[in-house]
Amino acid sequence: GAVVSQHPSRVICKSGTSVKIECRSLDFQATTMFWYRQFPKQSLMLMATSNEGSKATYEQGVEKDKFLINHASLTLSTLTVTSAHPEDSSFYICSASWGEADTQYFGPGTRLTVL
Amino acid sequence: QKEVEQNSGPLSVPEGAIASLNCTYSDRGSQSFFWYRQYSGKSPELIMSIYSNGDKEDGRFTAQLNKASQYVSLLIRDSQPSDSATYLCAVRSAYGQNFVFGPGTRLSVLP
Repeated sequence: GAVVSQHPSRVICKSGTSVKIECRSLDFQATTMFWYRQFPKQSLMLMATSNEGSKATYEQGVEKDKFLINHASLTLSTLTVTSAHPEDSSFYICSASWGEADTQYFGPGTRLTVL
Repeated sequence: QKEVEQNSGPLSVPEGAIASLNCTYSDRGSQSFFWYRQYSGKSPELIMSIYSNGDKEDGRFTAQLNKASQYVSLLIRDSQPSDSATYLCAVRSAYGQNFVFGPGTRLSVLP
């Protein structure tokens, strides 16, 4: 299957700081990337969908000014959690697909802890 | 509201048995169906996709789809302790690019 990487894998930050998470497709050009959040013992929650070169489409209830998504190239998307608070602590996972391909391939996830 | 439902479990089966995981969905326009496995603390990994009614087999895994009943299942034969994980059902509509994930079923295979 396709390979998607995320960096960092784990981050601990103080409340009020901003954190950037990178998602890279390593062996294919990702025309679409998805960002998910998963709280403990809960399922994946889609936050936003980003197409290369376009503005991200956010799901209802997700603040676009707090979760900034950039998909500037076909291999890289970034999620910036601005002014993070303890309630933002979660497991953030990106996934990627390409062209008309129907399958999403997931990155390994980033565990964010906000103190 | 498009929904995908799964029994949360845990589903416990003895080693070597068949594990049966079920998923129902509400959107009749759904065209693509996926099963992902997620180990604790890890991200989901794709097991199988299925698009047509009937069965699709891949090794020890068999996906079954019944669009009329809006039902998709995953059978795991000869279950192993390493199969213990949460299994996520995902459904994609023909009209959008987003997936809708079910809450997942936690499977425990007892040695």
